[in-house]
Amino acid sequence: SQQGEEDPQALSIQEGENATMNCSYKTSINNLQWYRQNSGRGLVHLILIRSNEREKHSGRLRVTLDTSKKSSSLLITASRAADTASYFCATDELSFGAGTTVTVRA
Amino acid sequence: ETGVTQTPRHLVMGMTNKKSLKCEQHLGHNAMYWYKQSAKKPLELMFVYSLEERVENNSVPSRFSPECPNSSHLFLHLHTLQPEDSALYLCASSQDWGVVGPQHFGDGTRLSIL
Repeated sequence: SQQGEEDPQALSIQEGENATMNCSYKTSINNLQWYRQNSGRGLVHLILIRSNEREKHSGRLRVTLDTSKKSSSLLITASRAADTASYFCATDELSFGAGTTVTVRA
Repeated sequence: ETGVTQTPRHLVMGMTNKKSLKCEQHLGHNAMYWYKQSAKKPLELMFVYSLEERVENNSVPSRFSPECPNSSHLFLHLHTLQPEDSALYLCASSQDWGVVGPQHFGDGTRLSIL
């Protein structure tokens, strides 16, 4: 299985701080996606990074991919209360992890 | 509004009941998916439909029966469920199966088995 696995399981930060979470996977991939899930809602696509890309930005989000380490990271800069959610990575075969739950304190 | 609508949002049923979950997408997508999300566990891909044909069935018990009458609608028929089937069931769609791209999720049906 190419299941993505997020780390840490939970993260609590102060508003304005940065949040970093990681995703590891087992076998080679063609692309990796990050999603956000707010409480009681479905997943929302954030960003897709392909295996030949090392870094990608979207607004306050920065995703990196290290295929040699089979890992990816998601950085949220200048966090806001609205960033409180669970974040998931997904590999080619739509294998999701259990997510990182981020709480942003006011 | 994600363009994917799931009904009902909440469902409580006994183990002997029969019920159905419905998913509708207004995005013109060709692929639709059912996922099971249990607390603290990875999202589990259950079924995939591409152009109304089932292309994936990931060892899901037969008490779950999917149906895709057209590319806009997807159903999950439930019968004689077990307590461990209590979970959030998410429907998603994407432009095409097997092509890289984002999935669009509905807000799910929270299922509780008594």
